[in-house]
Amino acid sequence: SQQGEEDPQALSIQEGENATMNCSYKTSINNLQWYRQNSGRGLVHLILIRSNEREKHSGRLRVTLDTSKKSSSLLITASRAADTASYFCATCPRMDSSYKLIFGSGTRLLVRP
Amino acid sequence: ETGVTQSPTHLIKTRGQQVTLRCSSQSGHNTVSWYQQALGQGPQFIFQYYREEENGRGNFPPRFSGLQFPNYSSELNVNALELDDSALYLCASSMGLAGLSGELFFGEGSRLTVL
Repeated sequence: SQQGEEDPQALSIQEGENATMNCSYKTSINNLQWYRQNSGRGLVHLILIRSNEREKHSGRLRVTLDTSKKSSSLLITASRAADTASYFCATCPRMDSSYKLIFGSGTRLLVRP
Repeated sequence: ETGVTQSPTHLIKTRGQQVTLRCSSQSGHNTVSWYQQALGQGPQFIFQYYREEENGRGNFPPRFSGLQFPNYSSELNVNALELDDSALYLCASSMGLAGLSGELFFGEGSRLTVL
């Protein structure tokens, strides 16, 4: 079963606009990571936020984490056509001694030129 | 490129057959995680191998099994293939357990079609 669920499932925006994707999860976590996947290829790591952090930035990416609501958001500013991809959140459940990463169902982002 | 290589990239099998997928981890990494990704879905965790031992398993039946070798490369074996096993199988390596390492490095996947 999925630990995380992304919202929306699909998002279509114009180049230059901002894109916001949300992730909700069910159990307490050690950290939350965001990954990107281009059309059915391998996933690429974007950013990690630890459970004691509230916000993190990396270039045009901004991630927030609200552990009380068990949710995270990924903001991509000034989007480009090359940002078109699927975006997944992945959580490391705190009570799981294997420290595995569980992925959500993803948001499919389309950036129109 | 991540340095994680998977083979084969594509394969077609029939129901009831067996398949072995291979993964070569990035240099210096001692952990391999395997995921199954159906079309339009997120990656589903199959299992994780850490220093040649299975460490964590998802909700997959025993006909999904794996190995990790002393050089930390890994195999995923699936017996008695079913139509629903058709998916992209992703391997990811990390230095240490996935959630502690800070980042998974993924291969490009093996796309399995079961007819």
